[in-house]
Amino acid sequence: RKEVEQDPGPFNVPEGATVAFNCTYSNSASQSFFWYRQDCRKEPKLLMSVYSSGNEDGRFTAQLNRASQYISLLIRDSKLSDSATYLCVVTGRYNQGGKLIFGQGTELSVKP
Amino acid sequence: ETGVTQTPRHLVMGMTNKKSLKCEQHLGHNAMYWYKQSAKKPLELMFVYNFKEQTENNSVPSRFSPECPNSSHLFLHLHTLQPEDSALYLCASSQDFLQGSDTQYFGPGTRLTVL
Repeated sequence: RKEVEQDPGPFNVPEGATVAFNCTYSNSASQSFFWYRQDCRKEPKLLMSVYSSGNEDGRFTAQLNRASQYISLLIRDSKLSDSATYLCVVTGRYNQGGKLIFGQGTELSVKP
Repeated sequence: ETGVTQTPRHLVMGMTNKKSLKCEQHLGHNAMYWYKQSAKKPLELMFVYNFKEQTENNSVPSRFSPECPNSSHLFLHLHTLQPEDSALYLCASSQDFLQGSDTQYFGPGTRLTVL
């Protein structure tokens, strides 16, 4: 079983659509959770951290369910500039906080 | 940009060559990382240095040799590589490896092709 598993893509949506990405992780000892964004042929960049209470940043909402070991990302009112690969990322156990474990990514393409 | 630079950006080498990748961070961080990103595969952590000490070696073959002379610089020395080592090699830094909540900032990567 993969340590971090994401929806296989690509997702092709029109501008203005709402799109949701799902992610599951296998290590119940993981401490921190993130969504990163990677544009084509560029480096990954942190989009947002994910907290148990859920958190929102503008059009982006992230949710974490520790019991189910499930993470989600919701993008509302999609823009052309949202086109990228979205990476679900979890960390190792307490004393390996910086050990990021990446999912394979879900590609999003927003069309006019 | 992100404050993490990598050179060269592109590298083509033969299997018998020796080359080095360089990473420099200007963020005052104490942890530096090497990752490998192969086509259609997730990013894989290779090495971690925290306060100049190597803390993680993720079962990386010995043909990859890291070096961290100080907290701002990280090298990856390459020798006798295989074609399957062709990938994007990404460097990252964060404040402290032990703090999982710290953001990791990535460099632009070196795209390596092994002939």
